Amino acid sequence: AQTVTQSQPEMSVQEAETVTLSCTYDTSESDYYLFWYKQPPSRQMILVIRQEAYKQQNATENRFSVNFQKAAKSFSLKISDSQLGDAAMYFCAYRSADSGYALNFGKGTSLLVTP
Amino acid sequence: KAGVTQTPRYLIKTRGQQVTLSCSPISGHRSVSWYQQTPGQGLQFLFEYFSETQRNKGNFPGRFSGRQFSNSRSEMNVSTLELGDSALYLCASSLFAGEQTQYFGPGTRLLVL
Repeated sequence: AQTVTQSQPEMSVQEAETVTLSCTYDTSESDYYLFWYKQPPSRQMILVIRQEAYKQQNATENRFSVNFQKAAKSFSLKISDSQLGDAAMYFCAYRSADSGYALNFGKGTSLLVTP
Repeated sequence: KAGVTQTPRYLIKTRGQQVTLSCSPISGHRSVSWYQQTPGQGLQFLFEYFSETQRNKGNFPGRFSGRQFSNSRSEMNVSTLELGDSALYLCASSLFAGEQTQYFGPGTRLLVL
């Protein structure tokens, strides 16, 4: 079974600064999809960014970008110019055909943004 | 376009009862997945429905069941509730099954007493 590991239970960043959240995963598949979801206190799970494994180019969405290292099975999320509204739980997730495309989530990283 | 909606948002039940949760996907989306979120186990996949057929199921006991209607709305049922079923139940929809991105609803918080 695939495992997704987020080694940082909590992270803190100052407003306007940059922070990187780590994620590693274990798989024998070559074709898969990786996601970062954000869950604020409202508990609504919000898609931040998606990366297809077959794409070498790292995905970016405004202030959010990823560093996808396929050989190392690493998928980190960089948040630039952090804002108070970025404070949330961040989940890394993986899906592929061998699990029927069910999302397999990490345990999450709680991000605190300080003024 | 309206997002995924889930009803009810909060629910309190007692052990042994059964509960039905509802999920309406984004308009045009035909796949609905359900996830359970607890502090101890994190986010776990329950099942996925596409075109009224269950196409994938997670590792949960048979007390957990679901169905999907022709309008893609989905219901999840838990029978003989146990204290450990207390959780946030999240529904996610996507255009089709497979690698499509899933968009989540606000969740239903179930408390079993």
